[in-house]
Amino acid sequence: QLQLQESGPGLVKPSETLSLTCSVSGGSISSSSYYWGWIRQPPGKGLEWIGSIYYSGSTYYNPSLKSRVTISLDTSKNRFSLKLSSVTAADTAIYYCARGDTYYHDMDVWGQGTTVTVSS
Amino acid sequence: EIVLTQSPGTLSLSPGERATLSCRASQSVSSSFLAWYQQKPGQAPRLLISGASNRATGIPDRFSGSGSGTDLTLTVSRLEPEDFAVYYCQQYDSSPFWTFGQGTKVEIK
Repeated sequence: QLQLQESGPGLVKPSETLSLTCSVSGGSISSSSYYWGWIRQPPGKGLEWIGSIYYSGSTYYNPSLKSRVTISLDTSKNRFSLKLSSVTAADTAIYYCARGDTYYHDMDVWGQGTTVTVSS
Repeated sequence: EIVLTQSPGTLSLSPGERATLSCRASQSVSSSFLAWYQQKPGQAPRLLISGASNRATGIPDRFSGSGSGTDLTLTVSRLEPEDFAVYYCQQYDSSPFWTFGQGTKVEIK
């Protein structure tokens, strides 16, 4: 059974870079049938797609975050990562990693989420 | 960018009742790329419906999706206690861009 697990600092200072990793177990990150994405949810609010990466390494980002986001794959460790630079309090959220299906383009497996707070 | 508007914001119902949730798109979306999720407090979202009407693995048949174009619907035929949660619709377009609706909370009346 595929499982995703987010990891990274729970507290980031303003203007610094948020870095998270999603470790994938029970399946290969290199499958052509899927892609991998990051979604966030500010406290008490809805879901916002951050970006996605395909097995080929192609990346797609939310235009509202594009200038600050980098998503990468590490196939040797079966994991993928998110970097969000120049963070502010508005980036405080629960960050989820998820697997995307290339047929329906939905997210069928999610990590449990990790809370990141931006504060000095 | 396609905007998804869900209504109502909150739905107050009793167990056993039927829930009808709406998701309206600002422009026509492909039914193949419309999904519904359920989120309970403290949990990650769970995929319920793919391609507007296909139940995901393990989802009970009391959940059904329908609609096309700009108007999509999620129906829960008879609410069970575990169905009280927040529901989100999501669409994908060829930009590519993934968009979520703002959510509908189904609460116990």
